[in-house]
Amino acid sequence: GDSVTQMEGPVTLSEEAFLTINCTYTATGYPSLFWYVQYPGEGLQLLLKATKADDKGSNKGFEATYRKETTSFHLEKGSVQVSDSAVYFCALSGDAGGTSYGKLTFGQGTILTVHP
Amino acid sequence: DTGVSQDPRHKITKRGQNVTFRCDPISEHNRLYWYRQTLGQGPEFLTYFQNEAQLEKSRLLSDRFSAERPKGSFSTLEIQRTEQGDSAMYLCASSSFIAANVLTFGAGSRLTVL
Repeated sequence: GDSVTQMEGPVTLSEEAFLTINCTYTATGYPSLFWYVQYPGEGLQLLLKATKADDKGSNKGFEATYRKETTSFHLEKGSVQVSDSAVYFCALSGDAGGTSYGKLTFGQGTILTVHP
Repeated sequence: DTGVSQDPRHKITKRGQNVTFRCDPISEHNRLYWYRQTLGQGPEFLTYFQNEAQLEKSRLLSDRFSAERPKGSFSTLEIQRTEQGDSAMYLCASSSFIAANVLTFGAGSRLTVL
């Protein structure tokens, strides 16, 4: 079945540091890939997505590129802020022709803490 | 549009009691999903509806769990004879027909079973 593996955390950075959170996946066909963020006390929010190979999703300075050859979707940000402290989840949805389309499979999450 | 609403936000109950959670999706969304999230883990799929039809249920959803979406709008998730292992955050999400794989999540309902 489908699965998502995220780098183990937590990750602690100083403000303005470079961020990478690794994500790899296993799925058949052509899944869509997502990063969701969960701020303390709030619900999951979609951060960015990519629907086909080599697509780059971006939002709020975060980027991730859909790499089918390495089955990866690593999250990056050039300069993190204290306000980026949250839990980040990588997720996939099965391709449009399959039964798992729209049903998300999540990684275990990575806690990011950014210090001033 | 007020987003996806869930109620109650927190429920504490004793083992063996029944609990019910309610989810109000975004009004124009025809798909509604339930997930469960335990501490330190990502959300796990439980079930989903397209309009009022329940299209898929996870093996995680034991016979003690039942979900309904009677008029294709709000949904309820009932857990009967709760067990301590049911303690978790129950998340509801919805999506539209056009963007079925772009889910909007509610803040969740946290269940604590004593």
